[in-house]
Amino acid sequence: SQTIHQWPATLVQPVGSPLSLECTVEGTSNPNLYWYRQAAGRGLQLLFYSVGIGQISSEVPQNLSASRPQDRQFILSSKKLLLSDSGFYLCAWSIPPIDTEAFFGQGTRLTVV
Amino acid sequence: DQQVKQNSPSLSVQEGRISILNCDYTNSMFDYFLWYKKYPAEGPTFLISISSIKDKNEDGRFTVFLNKSAKHLSLHIVPSQPGDSAVYFCAARVWGAQKLVFGQGTRLTINP
Repeated sequence: SQTIHQWPATLVQPVGSPLSLECTVEGTSNPNLYWYRQAAGRGLQLLFYSVGIGQISSEVPQNLSASRPQDRQFILSSKKLLLSDSGFYLCAWSIPPIDTEAFFGQGTRLTVV
Repeated sequence: DQQVKQNSPSLSVQEGRISILNCDYTNSMFDYFLWYKKYPAEGPTFLISISSIKDKNEDGRFTVFLNKSAKHLSLHIVPSQPGDSAVYFCAARVWGAQKLVFGQGTRLTINP
């Protein structure tokens, strides 16, 4: 069966510090991978998605970047965090070309102080 | 530009009664609609979906209705149970795209 791992579960970082969140998927090949963010009191905003190694699509201009160095690994990064980067970050995967469902990880609660 | 809208941020329902969660959309290119359920500090879990060529899909206590002319879909939960208390997200997929667009979510509280 397929599983998705996302870590860390919680993170407190000072303003201006770098960020690296990692997500890995097991039990499937060539998944589509996604990073979403849920800001306080808001819905799920798609940040990045990837359909293959090295292929990243950015949905919202921001202080963040994403990379996919391996087929089942997706990384969310920032060189310098802002207060507005605080939120609940979720990694997800889906099975192309069907893509009718996305399966989410447990999320990372990021607080920038 | 919010293409998927859930206009009710919260809903309170008595246990055993019907819960109706609503979602409106603006993009006519959406071909698939989904509902997700989310508990605090956890990732959303898939609940039920419907293709744009259908108007109803049922799975146990959960039924999703799609009204394409009104660009509206709803999730019915009957009977409502305390474990149904969670945030519910409506999502939609653009035909040909490989991503989902989510609404803002509705917090459902089931009262005993």
